[in-house]
Amino acid sequence: QQQVKQSPQSLIVQKGGISIINCAYENTAFDYFPWYQQFPGKGPALLIAIRPDVSEKKEGRFTISFNKSAKQFSLHIMDSQPGDSATYFCAAIIQGAQKLVFGQGTRLTINP
Amino acid sequence: DVKVTQSSRYLVKRTGEKVFLECVQDMDHENMFWYRQDPGLGLRLIYFSYDVKMKEKGDIPEGYSVSREKKERFSLILESASTNQTSMYLCASRAGGADYGYTFGSGTRLTVV
Repeated sequence: QQQVKQSPQSLIVQKGGISIINCAYENTAFDYFPWYQQFPGKGPALLIAIRPDVSEKKEGRFTISFNKSAKQFSLHIMDSQPGDSATYFCAAIIQGAQKLVFGQGTRLTINP
Repeated sequence: DVKVTQSSRYLVKRTGEKVFLECVQDMDHENMFWYRQDPGLGLRLIYFSYDVKMKEKGDIPEGYSVSREKKERFSLILESASTNQTSMYLCASRAGGADYGYTFGSGTRLTVV
């Protein structure tokens, strides 16, 4: 019940295309859902996050879509660029808990 | 910006050695974490600490211990390094309360030969 399942494990998208990464969860007590971006040789960095009281959050080319009834959330990268090539992790946490639960990660490659 | 600093980017150690990985954060965060990252397995939590001298096991604590004598410093100890502990080790910190964001260090790539 504590798991967050992320798919796909790897994704190749052409420059200018839309990249979509999906996550699903079981525990309805989760109340904060961040996405992390990790470049090779670096630690993950917070990219964008959402709470379940909204269905969508947009920051520049990055959008989180949240479907509370389906217990799913996804990251959309519009106009994908080679500089977006990285590993992306979704995560979730319960209010008052100390630790995030991470998805397995998606390695995204944007071809020029 | 919060900084989480891991003392070494690359380490090569021999099987059986005792290994110390150090992590320091500069923003007075209560919570600190050690993860290991392996291809296809994502981020796996080894140990975390929510206060000085307090620690809790994560998902894969076997073969590891931790120390938190000061709030800003969280050390991961491999008591007797083995080749299956070759991995990328990531430290993270987080403030208490409603701020859920983690700040990660750049990682230590440990090779045990």
